[in-house]
Amino acid sequence: EPEVTQTPSHQVTQMGQEVILRCVPISNHLYFYWYRQILGQKVEFLVSFYNNEISEKSEIFDDQFSVERPDGSNFTLKIRSTKLEDSAMYFCASNFGGGMNTEAFFGQGTRLTVV
Amino acid sequence: GENVEQHPSTLSVQEGDSAVIKCTYSDSASNYFPWYKQELGKGPQLIIDIRSNVGEKKDQRIAVTLNKTAKHFSLHITETQPEDSAVYFCAAIGNTGNQFYFGTGTSLTVIP
Repeated sequence: EPEVTQTPSHQVTQMGQEVILRCVPISNHLYFYWYRQILGQKVEFLVSFYNNEISEKSEIFDDQFSVERPDGSNFTLKIRSTKLEDSAMYFCASNFGGGMNTEAFFGQGTRLTVV
Repeated sequence: GENVEQHPSTLSVQEGDSAVIKCTYSDSASNYFPWYKQELGKGPQLIIDIRSNVGEKKDQRIAVTLNKTAKHFSLHITETQPEDSAVYFCAAIGNTGNQFYFGTGTSLTVIP
């Protein structure tokens, strides 16, 4: 069964450092997403990406965040200067259809710890 | 924007009993309501979904009901098994958006 894969599974970084979280969406999917989940809180939308550009983003996704699809398979989330409050589980997701009205597949997540 | 509330936050049931998790939403334009199961160390996995033109949907031991007027939807798991133990999230989305609005999650424990 196809799956979304994320690397690394756990990332520890110093405050102020840049981090890149990586995702390989399902190969024939067209829409890609990043979500995050702070411990004990809701899963929150960060950004959606389609046709090599951001289609929607939340208030959380400020100038410190960026996304990129550097090649035909990877989808990355970069945080330029990490803050303690960026510590969370980050989930990548993808689907074939427009919006999340079609089944979205989630990766297993990357746990980011900022110290 | 949409606001999704989910109850209860924790739920313990005896194996074989039923479990019910309830969610409410605020935006009447929302028209798609998926339920995700998250096991420890894994990402959310879709287990069932329902669209606003349907009142109920069933898949083996899992069912979801939707009341559009009251803006609430529920997940029903019958004949629970220990492997049903996980965190369950409801979500809502409108037809113009790309983003899910998730509930806060329910940690279900099925006691053998």
